[in-house]
Amino acid sequence: EIVLTQSPGTLSLSPGERATLSCRASQSITSTYLAWYQQKPGQAPRLLIYGASTRATGIPDRFSGSGSGTDFTLTISRLEPEDFAVYFCQQYGSLPKTFGQGTKLEIK
Amino acid sequence: EVQLLESGGDLVQPGGSLRLSCAASGFTFSIFGMSWVRQAPGKGLEWVSAISATGSSTYYADSVKGRFTISRDNSKNTLYLQMNTLRAEDTAVYYCAKGYNYGEGWGRGSLVTVSS
Repeated sequence: EIVLTQSPGTLSLSPGERATLSCRASQSITSTYLAWYQQKPGQAPRLLIYGASTRATGIPDRFSGSGSGTDFTLTISRLEPEDFAVYFCQQYGSLPKTFGQGTKLEIK
Repeated sequence: EVQLLESGGDLVQPGGSLRLSCAASGFTFSIFGMSWVRQAPGKGLEWVSAISATGSSTYYADSVKGRFTISRDNSKNTLYLQMNTLRAEDTAVYYCAKGYNYGEGWGRGSLVTVSS
């Protein structure tokens, strides 16, 4: 099983700042099969990125994904108030499909 | 717009059974794989099960294999999850998601509570 470790656990930033979230895999992920989701309290997750770097439909271009192998990054270039949420990464290159434990992005 | 509406969540005793349904609209249901993902209270996400567009291929997490069965009725645009021999650790919000590998769209979830 591929274990995904997200860091930091909590990230405190201000609107307008740049956020960099990390997702590290315990072994190489096949063909960059990695997705990122945003989840707000009481809501379902929302797909942001798939294939490590492809933005999902309707996702603003301030969100970008990068990485390959075992190291992946979600970057939010300029934080908007609505971006403060929990972010999960998920790999789907190997079974079982697994999620990271999440990074909470909070307002500083 | 993708719309997914789960139903069937309830309070059930350990060892009991429950069937979740997910009514889909806003896309051509019959050509997409579908999945169930759960989230225990205050916890992270777990990919529980997935089914291909035709139903010919399925996936189950080890934690539910042999107890849960995923199925779909493309004529009714509906996804199902039959859950048997439920355990306390199955307590979670169960989300229906469009997609076999990753969740392109999600429902609002259905709460399953397993407790005596």
